[in-house]
This record gives sequence, structure tokens and C-alpha cells, in this order.
Amino acid sequence: DVKVTQSSRYLVKRTGEKVFLECVQDMDHENMFWYRQDPGLGLRLIYFSYDVKMKEKGDIPEGYSVSREKKERFSLILESASTNQTSMYLCASRTPGTHLYEQYFGPGTRLTVT
Amino acid sequence: QKEVEQNSGPLSVPEGAIASLNCTYSDRGSQSFFWYRQYSGKSPELIMSIYSNGDKEDGRFTAQLNKASQYVSLLIRDSQPSDSATYLCAVKVGYQKVTFGTGTKLQVIP
Repeated sequence: DVKVTQSSRYLVKRTGEKVFLECVQDMDHENMFWYRQDPGLGLRLIYFSYDVKMKEKGDIPEGYSVSREKKERFSLILESASTNQTSMYLCASRTPGTHLYEQYFGPGTRLTVT
Repeated sequence: QKEVEQNSGPLSVPEGAIASLNCTYSDRGSQSFFWYRQYSGKSPELIMSIYSNGDKEDGRFTAQLNKASQYVSLLIRDSQPSDSATYLCAVKVGYQKVTFGTGTKLQVIP
């Protein structure tokens, strides 16, 4: 079974803090993703990485950055947290290929910025 | 027009009935389609993927794809209260990106 883990289930941070969200997968997947999920807006892609040290912006990258130094680990960084970044953050990974685009999600981190 | 559209529901069905969940998409070039189940407070869980026109069955679940009409549906037979969740439709758009619908909430009434 694919296992994707995230560093925290719940996190409370103050406005202006730098926040690190970590994601680790154990299936040697090359592609990893960060999404945020908000009521009524669904899942929105923040960034994704298709290999170590490679990254691409998703639909809503503003205010975020990412780091992928090792294949199994993909970090999301909130440079200066703001209240509008309060959300559920979901990491996912998948095997690449023309057909297999099935993504597997971690348990999520519910971040509250006060 | 949204890339992936779903009726938000809630869709209420009695236990034992067939639940039918629908999804439409805008990109005619889309080739891969997925259904995820998400329980409240949990992360999405992949339950079905479909790539070809027609039906794909897995246990009580059947995914149906009609590319000409640009819709994909999920049928859940013999619905159980444990099937109560939000069901997300996802579509591969372009080379790398998968776009998710906002989900349909299903309630199975005992």
C-alpha cells in the first residue's frame, strides 16, 4: 500500500511566522503535489514536483514555496503566514506515466493562522 | 465554465438503493478520470479510475465514462450508511495536471 505521511495533523501559527509543512512518501514516487482544500472551492493545486529539485507552480502558488531535496520528501513553506492561508493542506504522490495518474493523499494538515 | 463540475448535493438515498453521482468536464482532450471518496475531516481516498469509454466495475462501484458527452459518473449499488461521504471527481487535464471538482455529498439513510 502507498503510504504518504504529513508532519502534523493540526497546526496553529501566528501571522507573519514562517511555516514548514512536510510530506514523506514511501513508494519511490517521482511526482509529488501540494494542495489546499477550502469549503466551496475544492482542492486547488499549489505546487508540484516531478523529480528531485524540480518544481512547478500550480494554480495558486502566491505566498508559498516548496523544496524537494530528496525523492521521498516534499516540503511546503509559507514564507510569512497570513490568515487567508488558514486551510486544510493535502500532500499527494503518484507514479508518472501517460496512463497512471492516480494520486494518493496523505492525512492532511489543518493549519490555522491567527 | 468550471473545468470539472459536480452537483454539491447533498444526495440522499435509502440504504440498499443505487446512488448515482455525476460529473461533467470541459476539456475534450481529457483522457484519465478518477473518483475519490472523502469522509468528513479525512483526506481523499482513490476508489475508481477510468480511461476508456464505457463501464468499469469494482465491487459495488461502477464508473461510467462518455467522452462524447463529456461526463463521467459513479454508481454505488446496495448503498450502505458507511458510503456517506463526499465524492470528488477528478480529471487529468493536460500533461501533468489533475483538476478536482468540488465534490458531491452523499447521505445514505438507514
